[in-house]
Parts: sequence; structure tokens; C-alpha cells
Amino acid sequence: EIVLTQSPGTLSLSPGERATLSCRASQSVSSNFLAWYQQKPGQAPRLLIYGASSRATGIPDRFSGSGSGTDFTLTISRLEPEDFAVYYCQQYGTSPPGFTFGPGTKVDIK
Amino acid sequence: QVQLQESGPGLVKPSQTLSLTCTVYGGAISSGGHYWSWIRQLPGKGLEWIGYIYYSGSTSYNPSLKSRVTMSVDTSKNQFSLKLTSVTAADTAVYYCARDGGSGSGTSYFDHWGPGTLVTVSS
Repeated sequence: EIVLTQSPGTLSLSPGERATLSCRASQSVSSNFLAWYQQKPGQAPRLLIYGASSRATGIPDRFSGSGSGTDFTLTISRLEPEDFAVYYCQQYGTSPPGFTFGPGTKVDIK
Repeated sequence: QVQLQESGPGLVKPSQTLSLTCTVYGGAISSGGHYWSWIRQLPGKGLEWIGYIYYSGSTSYNPSLKSRVTMSVDTSKNQFSLKLTSVTAADTAVYYCARDGGSGSGTSYFDHWGPGTLVTVSS
């Protein structure tokens, strides 16, 4: 089973700043099958990025994903007030139980 | 636009069976191409995939829960369901149903989610 580690646990930033979130896998993620989700309190996760770098439908271009193998990054170029939330990475590169999620990074207002 | 909605009891007694149903709107489960999952989120913690089902009834479960999980699908009602037996307080969580992105293989991200339903296990 691939274990995902996210860092930092909490990121305190101001609106307009750049956010860089890391997701590291315990072994290589097949075909870069890595997704990122945003979750706000009381809501379901929302897909942001799939295939490590492809934006989901309707996602603003200030969100970008990069990386390969075991190291992946989600970047928010300029934080908007609505971007303060918890972000999870998920790998789906292996057969079940391959749908593993990271523990999350909380982006909060500094 | 596909929408999913979970339904079922919000309170289950220890040792009993948790039963939830997900109704899909805006797209037919029977059209195929997508796998339909249950995912849960323990209080204040991360996300755990429980399992998925295809419209044909084919299933795959997380090994950590496999002995207690059964999923079924009712294409006439456009619904799929989850049963989790012998629950304990550790099964208290928000349960989500979700649709995969349509890779056709079951190995995919989740692009549509229900709003989630809190199930508490308590006597």
C-alpha cells in the first residue's frame, strides 16, 4: 500500500500570497495518478487536479499541480479568501486499496 | 450535471449494521463507464476509501474493511448502497458517496461527491 505524507500540516498565509503544498509517496505513483482536493468545513472534498497536473472542470488557473514519481506539489499562485481550506492529495495508481489519501494540509489566514 | 445524495440513519447502535443509500441524479448508473464508491471521514481526520461497485454488480473493497462491507446496486432506482456490519464507535464518521472520473478500469480520481452524511455509532 502506498502511504502519502503531506507537508506542512498547516500553512499560515495572507490573501495574495503564494501557497506551495507538498505530497510525498512512500513509493512511485504509477502513471502520475495523483489528485488534489479542496475541502471546506461542512462540505465534501472538491476535485482540483488529476493526473498530477490537469485542472478539473471549472477550477481557476491560479491552481496548478506538478511533480512525478514520489514527489508532488500543489501551488496556489495568489491566495483568494475562498482558498483557505484543507487540501488533500490522493493516489489512484494501484489496484485497490490503491485509493489512498494524504492526511491533509490546512491553509489558514495569517 | 451529476449529483449524488446519501441517505440513511444517522445513529446506529454498536454491533448493529450501518446501512446507507446513494441516489444518483443527472446520469444513469446503468450507462456504465464509472465506478461508484463509498468514502468515509473520521471526525477531525482524513479520508478512507471503503469500496466501489460497478453497474454490473462487480465490487472491490478496502481490505481493512472487507470482512464487514457489502455493496449493492439498484439500476432501476439509480441507487447504490453500503452495508457495514458489527459497527463500533470507531466507525463513527461522515460517509460520502462518490463517482470516479471514468477511466473505465476503476482506477481513478473522484470527480463528483455527495454532500456526506454523519453516522454516529452509540447506544
